[in-house]
Amino acid sequence: EVQLLESGGGLVQPGGSLRLSCAASGFTFSNYAMSWVRQAPGRGLEWVSALSGSATYIYYADSVKGRFTISRDNSKNTLYLQMNSLRAEDTAIYYCAKRGEARPASEAYFDYWGQGALVTVSS
Amino acid sequence: DIQMTQSPSSLSASVGDRVTITCRASQGITNYLAWYQQKPGKVPKVLIYGASTLQAGVPSRFSGSGSGTDFTLTISSLQPEDVATYYCQQYNSAPLTFGQGTKVEIK
Repeated sequence: EVQLLESGGGLVQPGGSLRLSCAASGFTFSNYAMSWVRQAPGRGLEWVSALSGSATYIYYADSVKGRFTISRDNSKNTLYLQMNSLRAEDTAIYYCAKRGEARPASEAYFDYWGQGALVTVSS
Repeated sequence: DIQMTQSPSSLSASVGDRVTITCRASQGITNYLAWYQQKPGKVPKVLIYGASTLQAGVPSRFSGSGSGTDFTLTISSLQPEDVATYYCQQYNSAPLTFGQGTKVEIK
């Protein structure tokens, strides 16, 4: 059974940093591109970043480029999102998501989602 | 960036009704479109990918169609458990983009 478990969310002041983790199990993690998708309170879904299985190819939404860094440790079956220079508009639930059918990381839909980690940016 | 526009933003229908949600892409995406269902307080769940392929385990009352720029999600007979917000997503190219969502309620 595929499981994705996010951790690391919390309350942070504007300008601060936070690192999210996503522990994966139930599939061969290194074979799959992974993404982070976020959802602001009461709002729709916004793709944030994607990373290929080998970590060779990395993609970011313009809204986070230069502030967020996606990475993975395939030996630990874990995906990360380092978030720096956080802003109020980054407040959201952050989901890690596994790509569906075999396609590049930049061209993926998502067949499994974690439960999400809430990040609140406020003073 | 490819913009995804859904309509309507919300709808109310009776149990057993046929419900249709449309999604339009700002440029052609062949059939690289997925539909998700998000029930209140829950995680999004994929219903359809490749515009018309039903994800395993999804009830057959859900169907998808379309290609290019215009796509449709149809619920053939609305059930109480279908109350949710539905999102389309293009995966033709990065940045991956979602529609704004369609909230489905029971009349």
